[in-house]
Amino acid sequence: DGGITQSPKYLFRKEGQNVTLSCEQNLNHDAMYWYRQDPGQGLRLIYYSQIVNDFQKGDIAEGYSVSREKKESFPLTVTSAQKNPTAFYLCASSIYGGRARNEQFFGPGTRLTVL
Amino acid sequence: AQKITQTQPGMFVQEKEAVTLDCTYDTSDPSYGLFWYKQPSSGEMIFLIYQGSYDQQNATEGRYSLNFQKARKSANLVISASQLGDSAMYFCAMRGGTNDYKLSFGAGTTVTVRA
Repeated sequence: DGGITQSPKYLFRKEGQNVTLSCEQNLNHDAMYWYRQDPGQGLRLIYYSQIVNDFQKGDIAEGYSVSREKKESFPLTVTSAQKNPTAFYLCASSIYGGRARNEQFFGPGTRLTVL
Repeated sequence: AQKITQTQPGMFVQEKEAVTLDCTYDTSDPSYGLFWYKQPSSGEMIFLIYQGSYDQQNATEGRYSLNFQKARKSANLVISASQLGDSAMYFCAMRGGTNDYKLSFGAGTTVTVRA
């Protein structure tokens, strides 16, 4: 079955530590995205990538970093510089370009808690 | 800048009745796309329906229909014959421009279906 996997489902981090959230897709999508969701709120874009070895900052990139070494993978690192990292993190992917629907498909999410 | 507004934080609906979720948007791009996603308590985002700015007819997908009023910049979601499984958070999102594939999300509306 094609889809997006995220791991781990739950992650606990001590203050001052960097953590990496995994996102893998087997949909052969070019574009991948990372969103952050705080309780009772909508999604905010952290980083996105259109193609391997290229990525751009979204609306709230400070304190986060990404890499896109493979088409299938787009890991997100939450660094110690992120002041309030406790949140729900969602990864998504889509076909890139054109006016077509190209909806984003989402993974199950990772819930990060800073202790 | 693009902006999505969902003014209804929460709604209750009786099983088998219809419910309308409001969404207004603001963009200067003539080409854009509007999406609705459902987020159950599990957290995963599920794509429901899409409306392109140049589409002549309102989109429909099973029990979901989109009341698209371009001049008023509104894209309301109608869920007909509500089911208990429809209880979830619903997000309106917009992608602007032919070459812009990022999504901007509204704050969401929580729908609770009563038996």
